[in-house]
Amino acid sequence: QSALTQPASVSGSPGQSITISCTGTSSDVGAYNYVSWYQQHPGKAPKLMIYDVSHRPSGVSNRFSGSKSGNTASLTISWLQAEDEADYYCTSYSTTSTRVFGGGTKVTVL
Amino acid sequence: EVQLVESGGGLVQPGRSLRLSCTASGFTFGDYAMSWVRQAPGKGLEWVGFIRSKAYGGTTEYAASVKGRFTISRDDSKSIAYLQMNSLKTEDTGVYYCTRENYPYHFDYWGQGTLVTVSS
Repeated sequence: QSALTQPASVSGSPGQSITISCTGTSSDVGAYNYVSWYQQHPGKAPKLMIYDVSHRPSGVSNRFSGSKSGNTASLTISWLQAEDEADYYCTSYSTTSTRVFGGGTKVTVL
Repeated sequence: EVQLVESGGGLVQPGRSLRLSCTASGFTFGDYAMSWVRQAPGKGLEWVGFIRSKAYGGTTEYAASVKGRFTISRDDSKSIAYLQMNSLKTEDTGVYYCTRENYPYHFDYWGQGTLVTVSS
């Protein structure tokens, strides 16, 4: 099972919007609406930000949104803030009942 | 409050075994699948495997990189999930996180992680 493909880094200025892509295959991202996104600050455990492609857990800012088209899912962070600087990972359920993570994207707030 | 606490990490020689524990509290443990996710130093997250709840057979699935070497089990009476790691390799070094898997297929709570170092 190959890892999902994410850009290594994305940056933006405060107040801007950025989008992180997550590309898989028809056996994972394209097969189900079971893509989730996680935020990880240095030295901390990951935190769930988006599940089922576009659903936000309680307590997560509505500046975070998710979408999917074909084999590519996306996470958009609107009104970028300094606290959003972190690593972001996507993951998807796959047709083999396994889960696969993306390689991670480092978000830098300029 | 949901809490997951991992324990059992440490330094181990290549080829040896180690068992990690994940003690859960704050929810009905037996109702949920539990997953293990690891992170090598300076690297990204890697799904290791999971165990379904007893309602779904309590069966397991594993990543190809650990299949045949790692075994996940659970003791619902104690609210503990285990990760038995055999034939350890240097590339198994990393922080191991226990996660609660909520339906469908996302990790809504994570432990703080426990460090496993495989080295001679």
